[in-house]
Amino acid sequence: EIVLTQSPGTLSLSPGERATLSCRASQSVSSSYLAWYQQKPGQAPRLLIYGASSRATGIPDRFSGSGSGTDFTLTISRLEPEDFAVYYCQQYGSSPGLTFGGGTKVEIK
Amino acid sequence: QLQLQESGPGLVKPSETLSLTCTVSGGSISSSSYYWGWIRQPPGKGLEWIGSIYYSGSTYYNPSLKSRVTISVDTSKNQFSLKLSSVTAADTAVYYCARRPIDYDSSGYYYVYFDYWGQGTLVTVSS
Repeated sequence: EIVLTQSPGTLSLSPGERATLSCRASQSVSSSYLAWYQQKPGQAPRLLIYGASSRATGIPDRFSGSGSGTDFTLTISRLEPEDFAVYYCQQYGSSPGLTFGGGTKVEIK
Repeated sequence: QLQLQESGPGLVKPSETLSLTCTVSGGSISSSSYYWGWIRQPPGKGLEWIGSIYYSGSTYYNPSLKSRVTISVDTSKNQFSLKLSSVTAADTAVYYCARRPIDYDSSGYYYVYFDYWGQGTLVTVSS
């Protein structure tokens, strides 16, 4: 079973700063299976990145994804007020199939 | 604009069966280009994939829930449904339905992601 570990658990930053979120897999993951989502309180997750580095439709270019193998990164180049939220990575593999990381909360410092 | 809407009881008794329906509007559930899935999120916790279905009826489930889960599709109503049997308090969660495109990268590897989500519905398991 592939486990996704996200770090840090909480990231305290100010608007305008750069955010770097990590997602580490316990085994190698195909980049095409790696996605990132943003979730705000009371809302459904929103797709940001798929295929490790492709931005979803309508996602601002301040969001970027990178990585391969077991280490993946979501970068927000300059935080906007609306970017403070929880971020999840997701992968697909053999049993148990599709899994999510535990999330990173980006909060206002 | 594609929309997904979950519906069903918000309260289920322990040992009973949780039943939810996702109604798709603004697009056809019978498209060969998508899977349709269920994901849940216990209060204050992370996301857990439950399972997915193709319009033809083929399914795949999270092994940890497989013995209790049934996902079905009704193309005439543009809906798909979730049944989770023998529920306990641990099944209390917000349940989301979502769309998973069948999409490939330039090397022929398929992408896996959910691009449209319903707003979610809270199901509480309690007597």
